[in-house]
Amino acid sequence: AQTVTQSQPEMSVQEAETVTLSCTYDTSESDYYLFWYKQPPSRQMILVIRQEAYKQQNATENRFSVNFQKAAKSFSLKISDSQLGDAAMYFCAYRSADSWGKLQFGAGTQVVVTP
Amino acid sequence: DVKVTQSSRYLVKRTGEKVFLECVQDMDHENMFWYRQDPGLGLRLIYFSYDVKMKEKGDIPEGYSVSREKKERFSLILESASTNQTSMYLCASRGAGSSYNSPLHFGNGTRLTVT
Repeated sequence: AQTVTQSQPEMSVQEAETVTLSCTYDTSESDYYLFWYKQPPSRQMILVIRQEAYKQQNATENRFSVNFQKAAKSFSLKISDSQLGDAAMYFCAYRSADSWGKLQFGAGTQVVVTP
Repeated sequence: DVKVTQSSRYLVKRTGEKVFLECVQDMDHENMFWYRQDPGLGLRLIYFSYDVKMKEKGDIPEGYSVSREKKERFSLILESASTNQTSMYLCASRGAGSSYNSPLHFGNGTRLTVT
């Protein structure tokens, strides 16, 4: 079974600064997908960014980018120019290519943004 | 936009009660999921369904059952609620196929308290 580890329970960042959230995973598969989800206090899970394992290029969505290191099984999320609205719980998730869409989640990292 | 609706935002039940958590999606998705979210543990998959009347156990099915009589509705059942089932429950849905362009869509969660 795959496991996803987020070792940072909480990260604090000042507005306009950059914060990086770490995520590692354990798998023996070669084809899979990785995701970062954001959960604000409203509880709505919002997809932030996704990466296909066979793509070398790191995914980017506006101020959000990932550093995908397949050999190291690492998938970190960088939030640039942090805004107050970025404050939320962030979950890293793994999905096998053929798994009916089942996601395996990490424990989450709470991001606190200070003015 | 895909809408996944969970019938209750907050629910308080007594130990031993039979509890139904309802989830409805409006996008004709084949796959539906029930996750449980606990602090420090992230989201854990309870059950999922890939078609009407079809179900598969997730990682933590003990104490739960599910029902999918119609494509749009996926119910989570706690046959005899216990205090260790106090948690946040999240429903999600996804269209068929393994493409990562078909992400999970989540409901807003039901916070269940069993006293």
